[in-house]
Amino acid sequence: QLHLQETGPGLVKPSETLSLTCTVSGGSFSSSDYYRGWIRQPPGEGLEWIGSISYGGSTYYNPSLKSRVTISVHTSRNEFSLRLTSVTAADTAVYYCARKTYGGAFDIWGQGTMVTVSS
Amino acid sequence: QSALTQPPSVSGSPGQSVTISCTGTSSDVGSYDRVSWYQQPPGTAPKLMIYEVSLRPSGVPDRFSGSKSANTASLTISGLQAEDEADYYCSSYTSSSSWVFGGGTKLTVL
Repeated sequence: QLHLQETGPGLVKPSETLSLTCTVSGGSFSSSDYYRGWIRQPPGEGLEWIGSISYGGSTYYNPSLKSRVTISVHTSRNEFSLRLTSVTAADTAVYYCARKTYGGAFDIWGQGTMVTVSS
Repeated sequence: QSALTQPPSVSGSPGQSVTISCTGTSSDVGSYDRVSWYQQPPGTAPKLMIYEVSLRPSGVPDRFSGSKSANTASLTISGLQAEDEADYYCSSYTSSSSWVFGGGTKLTVL
C-alpha cells in the first residue's frame, strides 16, 4: 500500500527558506498518470494548493506563491521536495504532500507536517 | 485565484440527506469536469471522496454522490451517519492550469 511521509524542520525563521521532503514507500507512482503535489492548511483554515510536478518534471504553481516556490523530484523518483523562500508568519501551516491523478484528484495524502514560522 | 465558495456549515440528523454546494466561475467549475471532494475529520489528513464530479474511489460508500450544474458542484450525503461528521472541501481545475480549493464546510450530525 502506497504511503507518503513529509519530513523537514518544524520551525523556520522569518525571511528564511522552508524545505520539505516527501518520501514515497510501499510502491511508486512512476507513471505519466500521476503527479506529485503539495497542499497546505494554516491553523483553523482551509486547504490551499501550493503546486504540482508531473512525472516528466513539468511544474505548476499557485499563482499567489509562484515567485517563492520550487517543487522538484529526486533522482530516485521516490522522493520529491518543496522549497518556499522568504517565509513569513502567514506561511505557518500544516504541509501535506499528495499523489495527484491526471484527472486532478489528490487520491493519496501524507499525514502532514506542521511548520511554524517564528523567530 | 479566488477560493471556491462553500457554506461554512451544514447539519442534519442521522438518516437524513445533506447537500454541500461549491460555487466557482466559468474559469474553473463551469468549464472542467475536474471537481473533487475531500473529507477531513479533525486532526487528520483529507480523504478523497469524489473525483471528476461524480466518481467514487474504491471503498467510499455509495451514500456519497457528486454532481455539477453550470458553475456549481454539489456533494450529497444520504443516510447520514455520525461518522460523516467532518470538514468537507471541494477542489477544481482552473483555466490557469492550477487547482483551487473551496473554503470548507463543517458538517455536523445532530
